[in-house]
Amino acid sequence: SQQGEEDPQALSIQEGENATMNCSYKTSINNLQWYRQNSGRGLVHLILIRSNEREKHSGRLRVTLDTSKKSSSLLITASRAADTASYFCATDSSYKLIFGSGTRLLVRP
Amino acid sequence: NAGVTQTPKFQVLKTGQSMTLQCAQDMNHNSMYWYRQDPGMGLRLIYYSASEGTTDKGEVPNGYNVSRLNKREFSLRLESAAPSQTSVYFCASTAGGRYEQYFGPGTRLTVT
Repeated sequence: SQQGEEDPQALSIQEGENATMNCSYKTSINNLQWYRQNSGRGLVHLILIRSNEREKHSGRLRVTLDTSKKSSSLLITASRAADTASYFCATDSSYKLIFGSGTRLLVRP
Repeated sequence: NAGVTQTPKFQVLKTGQSMTLQCAQDMNHNSMYWYRQDPGMGLRLIYYSASEGTTDKGEVPNGYNVSRLNKREFSLRLESAAPSQTSVYFCASTAGGRYEQYFGPGTRLTVT
């Protein structure tokens, strides 16, 4: 069974718009990570947020974490066509990562 | 610095055949992982090795075996391939269990 579940499963936006993806999880965590996967490629780490952090930024990415609600969100601002990919959250528990099923983002030029 | 490499990139097997997927990392990472990804789904952990000399089962270990050959290399073996093992297999490594993981490019395996 998968720990994290992303919402929505698919998202289509226009270039320049913001994209928000959500992740919910079930058990306590040490940290939560977000990864991107371009079609046919391996996953690439985007950002890690620790359980004692509430918000973190990296370039056009903003991640929030609410441990009381067991949820996280990933915001991509000013999206570009190159942001088209699948995005996965992964929760760290017992030194292993458990991945969600992902959000497929399509950014239309 | 190649990161995480996997061989082969593609493989077609007949039911009952065996094969070994190879993974190597050059980042001096302690922990290595094998995942499978089925269409439209996230990654599921097959086996992992927290450190050289140790291996543990993940979520879906049945039908697979692993060997942590040394700190750099972690192989995944299918002893008797089944169509249900058709998937994309990813290897990953990390400095430690609570850090980001680095992924290889994947092996696309089809079992007919």
